[in-house]
Amino acid sequence: ETGVTQTPRHLVMGMTNKKSLKCEQHLGHNAMYWYKQSAKKPLELMFVYNFKEQTENNSVPSRFSPECPNSSHLFLHLHTLQPEDSALYLCASSQAASGLPGGGELFFGEGSRLTVL
Amino acid sequence: GENVEQHPSTLSVQEGDSAVIKCTYSDSASNYFPWYKQELGKRPQLIIDIRSNVGEKKDQRIAVTLNKTAKHFSLHITETQPEDSAVYFCAARVTGFQKLVFGTGTRLLVSP
Repeated sequence: ETGVTQTPRHLVMGMTNKKSLKCEQHLGHNAMYWYKQSAKKPLELMFVYNFKEQTENNSVPSRFSPECPNSSHLFLHLHTLQPEDSALYLCASSQAASGLPGGGELFFGEGSRLTVL
Repeated sequence: GENVEQHPSTLSVQEGDSAVIKCTYSDSASNYFPWYKQELGKRPQLIIDIRSNVGEKKDQRIAVTLNKTAKHFSLHITETQPEDSAVYFCAARVTGFQKLVFGTGTRLLVSP
């Protein structure tokens, strides 16, 4: 059982649409992440939240807007995306860096496969 | 910032053979090196990790070695099985930061 669930699993949207990806973790973690996975590219970190506070924005375009209402939920709001934004978006959670050297293991969700037409 | 390179991009072996995947990193301040396995259509999952105060770590058929001087680390899988077929990602994390920098992945195919 994963502990990190993402919805929807698949999403097709036009460039003018607005949609949101949702992530929920049931592991009691206090850090959550969004990663982008494109073909033949490394996993790219997009955002990090610790205790609901955004601690890293890895130069992500403003058409991606994260929201973290509490330590268990993370959203990625999407608007006016481009076809090159088509990818698998992975959510992950972990214990925050404090208390463990360099932070804990990342637990990933199954991902949301996004296609932008 | 940290940069991680991973080789090879694809690796085909016969069942029972060994497989080795190599990664290099650029930031000498990195101190944590995990390996993730991602089966087709599944999430990445941690299979083994190593910290910079250790040179080698084993877990059954899987081992990871770290050479801090050369800034490279490797994943070794012995007695490969078809269920080992997946994409394997290495990663590195700089001390004091949460950001994991991943390699580009190695697609391992184990043929029966």
